[in-house]
Amino acid sequence: GENVEQHPSTLSVQEGDSAVIKCTYSDSASNYFPWYKQELGKRPQLIIDIRSNVGEKKDQRIAVTLNKTAKHFSLHITETQPEDSAVYFCAARDSGNTPLVFGKGTRLSVIA
Amino acid sequence: DAGVIQSPRHEVTEMGQEVTLRCKPISGHNSLFWYRQTMMRGLELLIYFNNNVPIDDSGMPEDRFSAKMPNASFSTLKIQPSEPRDSAVYFCASSGTGGFTEAFFGQGTRLTVV
Repeated sequence: GENVEQHPSTLSVQEGDSAVIKCTYSDSASNYFPWYKQELGKRPQLIIDIRSNVGEKKDQRIAVTLNKTAKHFSLHITETQPEDSAVYFCAARDSGNTPLVFGKGTRLSVIA
Repeated sequence: DAGVIQSPRHEVTEMGQEVTLRCKPISGHNSLFWYRQTMMRGLELLIYFNNNVPIDDSGMPEDRFSAKMPNASFSTLKIQPSEPRDSAVYFCASSGTGGFTEAFFGQGTRLTVV
């Protein structure tokens, strides 16, 4: 089955700096890669996703990149703000009604 | 739509007691997932259903855990008997048909077994 590795487990950045979180996956059949943000005591919520036919996607300060050959995908947050502080999870799955397999999460702290 | 609804939000129970967690998926979604979240193990898939049918329960840790989905709008996760190591946040999520569809999470149930 799918296995998703996520690094780093914790990340501290100064406000205004960029943050990068990286994930690798094992199943070459996976073609959907969402990123979820989970604030303390709340549910995970989708912030951006990318599909296997796309190499990069951007939404304001957030961007994701995908390298299917290397089975890597990354989340980039620019101009970080204190409200970006949360735990971020990457996930992967193949097409169809299969479950998302999550990475272990990255706790991002943005220091004002 | 109110989103995925879970109940209760918090549950404190004594070891050995039966615990039932409930989930109402988003109307029209045909896939439902139960995840368990702990600091040590992150988000683990316990079981998932497609069209009310259990597809994969290999993530259910022990026979003490069982899940049902009697209809498209309701699912339960039961632990009997409960143990302190079952303490975690349990999330239910649902998604629609097709591969590139977002999974929506409920608010979760924080279970504490003492």
